[in-house]
Amino acid sequence: AQSVSQHNHHVILSEAASLELGCNYSYGGTVNLFWYVQYPGQHLQLLLKYFSGDPLVKGIKGFEAEFIKSKFSFNLRKPSVQWSDTAEYFCAVNAPYTGGFKTIFGAGTRLFVKA
Amino acid sequence: ETGVTQTPRHLVMGMTNKKSLKCEQHLGHNAMYWYKQSAKKPLELMFVYSLEERVENNSVPSRFSPECPNSSHLFLHLHTLQPEDSALYLCASSQEGSSGSPLHFGNGTRLTVT
Repeated sequence: AQSVSQHNHHVILSEAASLELGCNYSYGGTVNLFWYVQYPGQHLQLLLKYFSGDPLVKGIKGFEAEFIKSKFSFNLRKPSVQWSDTAEYFCAVNAPYTGGFKTIFGAGTRLFVKA
Repeated sequence: ETGVTQTPRHLVMGMTNKKSLKCEQHLGHNAMYWYKQSAKKPLELMFVYSLEERVENNSVPSRFSPECPNSSHLFLHLHTLQPEDSALYLCASSQEGSSGSPLHFGNGTRLTVT
């Protein structure tokens, strides 16, 4: 069965530190990959997505992610975090199933950025 | 404003009660989903409706009963729930037919079963 694994449950950084959140998935076929973010008290929203082409994807608010097919990874990065990046981040894979496509999520990584 | 509206935001119910969660999407999407979000666990896909037809029932207990009367509305009917069913229930929508279509989520209903 397909699954998504996020390496850290909690990450604590100071402002201006660099961020990398790990994500690995288990599915051998063609997939579409996403990172979603949930700010405190807000709904889940799309941060960035990978469909095909350039494996380095840029999203909103200075975030980027790199798809490495050989490692089944889609790690999220930001060179310099801000206090406002405090949120929970979810990696997700859109994979085919008998009825179409379904999105499978990781357990999430909660990021705390200290001002 | 997310384009996906869920009501109520919070719900407390006893194990013998019957209640319903409501979701409405204003995005013109043709697929809707129920997810369960529990602490320290991945988002669990519960049900998928595509063009008002249920296409996925992810081994969800029968005490959860979905209903999709049209492409804009989705309900989750609850009866005789257990305390372990307490969680955040999220509704989402997307445009099926495009494998890369992202999900648009509502704010969720925080359910507490006493």
